[in-house]
Amino acid sequence: GENVEQHPSTLSVQEGDSAVIKCTYSDSASNYFPWYKQELGKRPQLIIDIRSNVGEKKDQRIAVTLNKTAKHFSLHITETQPEDSAVYFCAASRGGFNTDKLIFGTGTRLQVFP
Amino acid sequence: DAGITQSPRYKITETGRQVTLMCHQTWSHSYMFWYRQDLGHGLRLIYYSAAADITDKGEVPDGYVVSRSKTENFPLTLESATRSQTSVYFCASSEDRVKENEQFFGPGTRLTVL
Repeated sequence: GENVEQHPSTLSVQEGDSAVIKCTYSDSASNYFPWYKQELGKRPQLIIDIRSNVGEKKDQRIAVTLNKTAKHFSLHITETQPEDSAVYFCAASRGGFNTDKLIFGTGTRLQVFP
Repeated sequence: DAGITQSPRYKITETGRQVTLMCHQTWSHSYMFWYRQDLGHGLRLIYYSAAADITDKGEVPDGYVVSRSKTENFPLTLESATRSQTSVYFCASSEDRVKENEQFFGPGTRLTVL
């Protein structure tokens, strides 16, 4: 089945610096890759996603890139702010009716220091 | 976010007891999911449901039972709780799995099995 590995497990950056979180997946049939943010004590929330027919997607300070050949995708956060501090999860799925499950990585705890 | 709720929010029980965690959503979403979140493991899918009376196993279904007699409810039952089932449980829903839509998470239930 699908396996998603996520690195690093913790990441500390200075406010204003960039942060990059990387994930690799094993199932070449996966075609949907969302990223969720979970603040302390809160529920996970979708922040950005990308489909396999797209190599990069941006939304203000966050971007996701996908390399299908290498089977890895990354989250990029620029100009980090203290409110970006949270745990970030990547996930992968095949998509399609009843054929897939959303498999999550183990999470990255990002700390942004003022 | 107020559209998906979980109860109870906190539960302490003893080994061997039956426990039911409730999940209710008001959006009439077709798909509903149960995850458990443990340190170092991220979010792992327990069971999911494509519609009323349709359920399927996720990554870690052993020891759990689900039902979905109504679209809006998706209870998760631990028939005989074990200490290894101590975890934070999240319910989620999505509108249409085929379109790989965003999953909306409930606030979570923190379960402790003594």
